[in-house]
Amino acid sequence: NAGVTQTPKFHILKIGQSMTLQCTQDMNHNYMYWYRQDPGMGLKLIYYSVGAGITDKGEVPNGYNVSRSTTEDFPLRLELAAPSQTSVYFCASCFQGLDTGELFFGEGSRLTVL
Amino acid sequence: AQTVTQSQPEMSVQEAETVTLSCTYDTSESNYYLFWYKQPPSRQMILVIRQEAYKQQNATENRFSVNFQKAAKSFSLKISDSQLGDTAMYFCAFMASGSARQLTFGSGTQLTVLP
Repeated sequence: NAGVTQTPKFHILKIGQSMTLQCTQDMNHNYMYWYRQDPGMGLKLIYYSVGAGITDKGEVPNGYNVSRSTTEDFPLRLELAAPSQTSVYFCASCFQGLDTGELFFGEGSRLTVL
Repeated sequence: AQTVTQSQPEMSVQEAETVTLSCTYDTSESNYYLFWYKQPPSRQMILVIRQEAYKQQNATENRFSVNFQKAAKSFSLKISDSQLGDTAMYFCAFMASGSARQLTFGSGTQLTVLP
């Protein structure tokens, strides 16, 4: 199993450009999440999804959009990139009913907006 | 809303020694889980240990153990026989039961194990 796979791992974006961070998992998890991690800080929740077709905002959703058309995929879209979105982005997933609460994380995507 | 506070931005310990990382949290929830995650330089987030709030017994995983003080809302991590591979950023995290598994993270403690 590949687990949680994120692409790209690194990307440089110009102010005002748009891009999509891809996330896919092969564990049949129904819960998926996007977090961002700023330097010296913990992870903050951007968006999450409890199943295909269902998404909801987290703590810091402004400037981002998500969709969940399949169980496996949960892409994160930045529409008009701003320097404040320079961060490391983590996708994570877990299985409802697996009440350990353990999230499985991808390796992160480092995004720089210049 | 929950908050998680890690008051030690950086710590160091000699190899083979014991170190304790502190974490406090604030919540009005009665049922919840607490976690310690490790993030080595590779950036991969790795679950170290978890604690269910309804369990009085402190969780242990090999060299890692916690001191869970529910009334004080304290959740410290003790690493025994520290190894060079323990060098990493450690995050304390909180999850309320039934919260769609949303984790609230502390700001992290950078632990360096010295040879």
